[in-house]
Amino acid sequence: DAKTTQPNSMESNEEEPVHLPCNHSTISGTDYIHWYRQLPSQGPEYVIHGLTSNVNNRMASLAIAEDRKSSTLILHRATLRDAAVYYCILSFYGGSQGNLIFGKGTKLSVKP
Amino acid sequence: DSGVTQTPKHLITATGQRVTLRCSPRSGDLSVYWYQQSLDQGLQFLIQYYNGEERAKGNILERFSAQQFPDLHSELNLSSLELGDSALYFCASNPSGGEWETQYFGPGTRLLVL
Repeated sequence: DAKTTQPNSMESNEEEPVHLPCNHSTISGTDYIHWYRQLPSQGPEYVIHGLTSNVNNRMASLAIAEDRKSSTLILHRATLRDAAVYYCILSFYGGSQGNLIFGKGTKLSVKP
Repeated sequence: DSGVTQTPKHLITATGQRVTLRCSPRSGDLSVYWYQQSLDQGLQFLIQYYNGEERAKGNILERFSAQQFPDLHSELNLSSLELGDSALYFCASNPSGGEWETQYFGPGTRLLVL
C-alpha cells in the first residue's frame, strides 16, 4: 500500500493560515489523496480530496505537487475549532474497494 | 452530524464475553466500513460491506465478525473479548464504496473490557 508521511505535530495561531504537508512518494497514478480530521472525542471527518489538480472547498484547499509525490492541506484562517489530528490518506486502489489506511496524522494545535 | 448512527455509545464488559455493536448508515448509502481505534494501533480498517456482501477485509481478528442486513444496517460482533480489545469502534458509510468517495463516520462506540 502506498504510504504517507506527515509531521507528528504542528502549532498555529488563531486566524492565521496553516499549511499541513504530506509526502507520498510511492503514490500510484490512480491513487486519490484524501484528508480527514478527527476532533477530540469524535469520529473522523472528511476535509477534502483530490487526484491531480488543486482543490478548494468551504473548509480548506488542497495543493498537489505536479509529480503528485507530495500535497499540502491549507486552512486559510485557523480557528480554535480546527485543533484536531489531520490525516493524509491515499485511497487503496482495488477496483471498488474504498477502505482508508490511516497513518498517525498531524496533531494541530491552535493558539488563541 | 454525519447521518451515521452507532449504538451503544459506551460498553463495559468483562474478558471472555461477547458484544454486538450496531451501525445505521446514512440514508441511501450501500457501503459500510468498520474501523478500530486503539491508543497503540491508531485507526485501523477492519471490514467493509456493500449491499449485504463482504467486499474487503483488513486487520480483523477471527474472533470478530460482521454482517450487513437487508435494511443495510450493520453489526460488528466481538467474541472471547480480551483486555486489548478495549478501543473505539467506528462505523462509516458511503453510497457505493468507491475509492473516490467520501466516508461519513459515526460517533463511535467506546468499548472497555475489564
